Amino acid sequence: DQQVKQNSPSLSVQEGRISILNCDYTNSMFDYFLWYKKYPAEGPTFLISISSIKDKNEDGRFTVFLNKSAKHLSLHIVPSQPGDSAVYFCAASITGNQFYFGTGTSLTVIP
Amino acid sequence: DAGITQSPRHKVTETGTPVTLRCHQTENHRYMYWYRQDPGHGLRLIHYSYGVKDTDKGEVSDGYSVSRSKTEDFLLTLESATSSQTSVYFCAISEGVGVPDEQYFGPGTRLTVT
Repeated sequence: DQQVKQNSPSLSVQEGRISILNCDYTNSMFDYFLWYKKYPAEGPTFLISISSIKDKNEDGRFTVFLNKSAKHLSLHIVPSQPGDSAVYFCAASITGNQFYFGTGTSLTVIP
Repeated sequence: DAGITQSPRHKVTETGTPVTLRCHQTENHRYMYWYRQDPGHGLRLIHYSYGVKDTDKGEVSDGYSVSRSKTEDFLLTLESATSSQTSVYFCAISEGVGVPDEQYFGPGTRLTVT
């Protein structure tokens, strides 16, 4: 049973606009969340993380929001750039080093 | 980039044959992981190691075994490969100090079982 879900397999956004990628989870014990970015034929690379004691974390153009009551997190990319086109995975952990990944959302930023 | 290499990068094998994939790191990180990536499933943890000779099972460990005799090497073995094990396999490492931390991934191994 998938504990971390990304219900949108794909997303297209115009360059310069905001990209919003969503992730839902079912296990209320998860207390650490990450986003990874993956280009074709490469391994995923870490993007940004958030602890469950926070509701927002920002790093440059990337912001992650966590809504614990809704068991939902989102990644905002502003402004979106063509180089952001990739597959984005969210992942969650229960105070440990085992992570559960979502199925990924393929983002296309249109120039 | 974290120093993680995987070998081989591509392999085609026949059903029933044994296969070993190797992950090598130069970062001296404590934790090492093996994942498989499949369409519709994302990344799923197979096994992980939290030290030399210390390993544990992940979500999808059936049909796989691992070994870690040195800090830098983590081997994944398919004792008798099946077509359902056709996948892209990723190794990852993390420092594993205190709080959960991000994992750094290798470039992947594409395995095809015919």
